[in-house]
Amino acid sequence: EVHLLESGGGLVQPGGSLRLSCAASGFTFRNYAMNWVRQTPGKGLEWVSTLSGDAGPTFYADSVKGRFTVSRDDSSNTLYLEMSSLRAEDTALYYCARALGSSWFYFDYWGQGTLVTVSS
Amino acid sequence: EIVLTQSPATLSLSPGERATLSCRASQSVSSFSAWYQQKPGQAPRLLIYDATNRAAGIPARFSGSGSGTDFTLTISSVEPEDFAVYYCQQRGNWPLTFGGGTRVEIK
Repeated sequence: EVHLLESGGGLVQPGGSLRLSCAASGFTFRNYAMNWVRQTPGKGLEWVSTLSGDAGPTFYADSVKGRFTVSRDDSSNTLYLEMSSLRAEDTALYYCARALGSSWFYFDYWGQGTLVTVSS
Repeated sequence: EIVLTQSPATLSLSPGERATLSCRASQSVSSFSAWYQQKPGQAPRLLIYDATNRAAGIPARFSGSGSGTDFTLTISSVEPEDFAVYYCQQRGNWPLTFGGGTRVEIK
């Protein structure tokens, strides 16, 4: 059974940094592109980043480009999101989501999310 | 950026009724659209991708149609477990975007 478990969320001051992790199990992690998607009550669902399965291309939303870095460790089946220069508008529930096979930009399995709050 | 507009915002139905949810894109996204279901306290669940393909394990009462700018999710006969919020998503143009959601509630 596919399982994704996010961690690392919390309260951080504006301008601060945070690293999110997503532990994956139940599938061959290295064969799949992985994604981060965030959700807020006000803005709804927002795609954040995609990392291909061969540690190849990465993609970012314009709103996080230059501030967030996605990476993966296929030896430990873990996806990461390094977030810096955090802003109030980055406050959200952050989901890790697996890409649907070769369709990198649909999301077939999701974790339960980790909450990031940016506030002084 | 492609804006996805979902209508109606809320759909009030009784179990057994047919549900028709609409998603309109501000520009053509070809057939590159998807539908997700989200229940309170849960992550979204993929229902339909590439406009018409049901994801693994999704019941046949869910179907998708459309192309270009207009897409529809149909639930042929709403079951009690189908009351939730439904989102459309497009991958036809950069960046990926989601619609604002349609809430399907019990009448």
